[in-house]
Amino acid sequence: NAGVTQTPKFQVLKTGQSMTLQCAQDMNHEYMSWYRQDPGMGLRLIHYSVGAGITDQGEVPNGYNVSRSTTEDFPLRLLSAAPSQTSVYFCASSYFGDREAFFGQGTRLTVV
Amino acid sequence: KNQVEQSPQSLIILEGKNCTLQCNYTVSPFSNLRWYKQDTGRGPVSLTIMTFSENTKSNGRYTATLDADTKQSSLHITASQLSDSASYICVVSPPNYGGSQGNLIFGKGTKLSVKP
Repeated sequence: NAGVTQTPKFQVLKTGQSMTLQCAQDMNHEYMSWYRQDPGMGLRLIHYSVGAGITDQGEVPNGYNVSRSTTEDFPLRLLSAAPSQTSVYFCASSYFGDREAFFGQGTRLTVV
Repeated sequence: KNQVEQSPQSLIILEGKNCTLQCNYTVSPFSNLRWYKQDTGRGPVSLTIMTFSENTKSNGRYTATLDADTKQSSLHITASQLSDSASYICVVSPPNYGGSQGNLIFGKGTKLSVKP
């Protein structure tokens, strides 16, 4: 049972480049979410999904897009990377929004 | 604004000693309160999860308590080990009702260092 798998683990981008952070879970969870973690701050919600075909914005959605075509996958797209998006990104999943969340190992992104 | 405040920001203790981490929150009502452990370079891992009606929950050497009247929670670590060195994050979940999707509210964490 792999749980929540994120790829890549590390990434360096140049300003203006685009990329997709991958997230997959094998627990048949309906609820999936993306967070960013910055020094001195708690995790902040970027986007979330309550099921295939349904997504919504979180606290800090600007500059990011998501889609949920299957229950298992929830990719996060950076449209035009900016240095302010340098962060550690975590994907999480749970049966419902208020149930125990399982986190991936994170993607450390640096935008230069 | 719903907030979760943790103290202390950081803590250094000797191996074998006990310690207690604090969490104050303003989220009301709430569905549950959780404590997560996050090792450096890893994702958070759940330690305990308590509903508003529970007072205490244990997971091995970790014991969480909840006082819904004072809106405080604590995480007590007994007989600390070097592997306990990590950040401990308090998280409150608003109720998942109506249009709310129960988005989690995270504290900034307490960084614990256990020294030999």
